[in-house]
Amino acid sequence: QVHLVESGGGVVQPGRSLTLSCAASGFTFNTYAIHWVRQAPGKGLEWVSGIWSHGTNKYYAESVRGRFTISGDNSKNTVYLQMNSLRVEDTAVYYCARVGLRTVWAFDVWGQGTMVTVSS
Amino acid sequence: DIQLTQSPSFLSASVGDRVTLTCRASQNISTYLVWYQQGPGRAPTLLIYDASKLQGGVPSRFSGSGSGTEFTLTISSLQPEDFATYYCHQVNSYPLITFGGGTKLEMK
Repeated sequence: QVHLVESGGGVVQPGRSLTLSCAASGFTFNTYAIHWVRQAPGKGLEWVSGIWSHGTNKYYAESVRGRFTISGDNSKNTVYLQMNSLRVEDTAVYYCARVGLRTVWAFDVWGQGTMVTVSS
Repeated sequence: DIQLTQSPSFLSASVGDRVTLTCRASQNISTYLVWYQQGPGRAPTLLIYDASKLQGGVPSRFSGSGSGTEFTLTISSLQPEDFATYYCHQVNSYPLITFGGGTKLEMK
């Protein structure tokens, strides 16, 4: 079974840091790109960041560039999202998602999400 | 940035109805358009990719069409499990991608 499992969410004060993890199983991790997508409460989906599994190419939305860092560890089949200088507007459910090999860049597998709440 | 506008934002319909959801792109994205379904409290799931290709396991009552700037998702006969929110997603500028604002399909 192909799975992505996010962890690391929680409640954090503005200006602090948090690191999310996305653990993959059931597929050859190092042949896929993995992305983070977030959803603020009651709102739509927002792309956050993406990484090729070999880790050389990393991409960020303008809203998080310079504050968030994506990385991967192929030995652990895990992608990380380090979030620094968190803001109230970063409050959201964070999903990781896999780009399918045959789905023309569509996200064919999603995790269940992890909630991040930024509040004083 | 490529903007995606979905319409309507909300749609009320009944089981058995045929419904069509629209997604308009701010510039030509060829067929690089994806549709997802998201149930309440659930992660999105892939329905359609490349504008019209049905993801494996998705019922054939779902279909997608369009190219360029205008796209549609049609559900031919609504089932109870189809009441959810639907998002379009452009991958023409992959990896710098964007989502539409969503259409919430509610039971009348």
